[in-house]
Amino acid sequence: QVTLRESGPALVKPTQTLTLTCTFSGFSLSTGSMCVSWIRQPPGKALEWLALIDWDNDIHYNASLKTRLTISKDTSKNQVVLAMTNMDPVDTATYYCARMTSMSGGVGFDYWGQGILVTVSS
Amino acid sequence: SYELTQPPSVSVSPGQTASITCSGDKLGHKYACWYQQKPGQSPVLVMYQDSKRPSGIPERFSGSNSGNTATLTISGTQAMDEADYYCQVWDSSIHVVFGGGTKLTVL
Repeated sequence: QVTLRESGPALVKPTQTLTLTCTFSGFSLSTGSMCVSWIRQPPGKALEWLALIDWDNDIHYNASLKTRLTISKDTSKNQVVLAMTNMDPVDTATYYCARMTSMSGGVGFDYWGQGILVTVSS
Repeated sequence: SYELTQPPSVSVSPGQTASITCSGDKLGHKYACWYQQKPGQSPVLVMYQDSKRPSGIPERFSGSNSGNTATLTISGTQAMDEADYYCQVWDSSIHVVFGGGTKLTVL
């Protein structure tokens, strides 16, 4: 079955770089049209899409955060990594990775990880 | 940028029909998806391509999308449907956008 799991630090200091890893199983990111995204949710607030990488290494970022984000994949390890620079307390959120089986066509994110709460504080 | 607007809250009595709207410029020209999120849990896809239900989603959930508004409808609402609901679209220029979420209260 399809599973995704986020891992990384629970606490980072302001100005540091956050690195999160999404480890997945049950599908391959080398399969045509497959995508993995990062999405975050500050406590009590709405979902915010961050970045997406697809099977062909096509990458898209949230325009408002683009300068701070880097997404990459290691197909052999079934992992997608997100790096976010210059962390600030407002970046405190639960960070999710999620799968989408096609970038277009409106299929949505059909599987999500359990999320990892990242707190930014000195 | 592209924005999706949802009402912050919707209330419904058990057994009645709940409608949650999502508004955006020419939204009907894009595909809308909907997610249900219960407290402390990850979002769950409940509707894709405007009106298709993923496997395991009850038939009481339905969707539509026309003009500037997509709507998620829950018929015969049950207490277990109480949750936050988010709409989401994909666009080749904006990529992924989520709405601000709607808290559905069943009372």
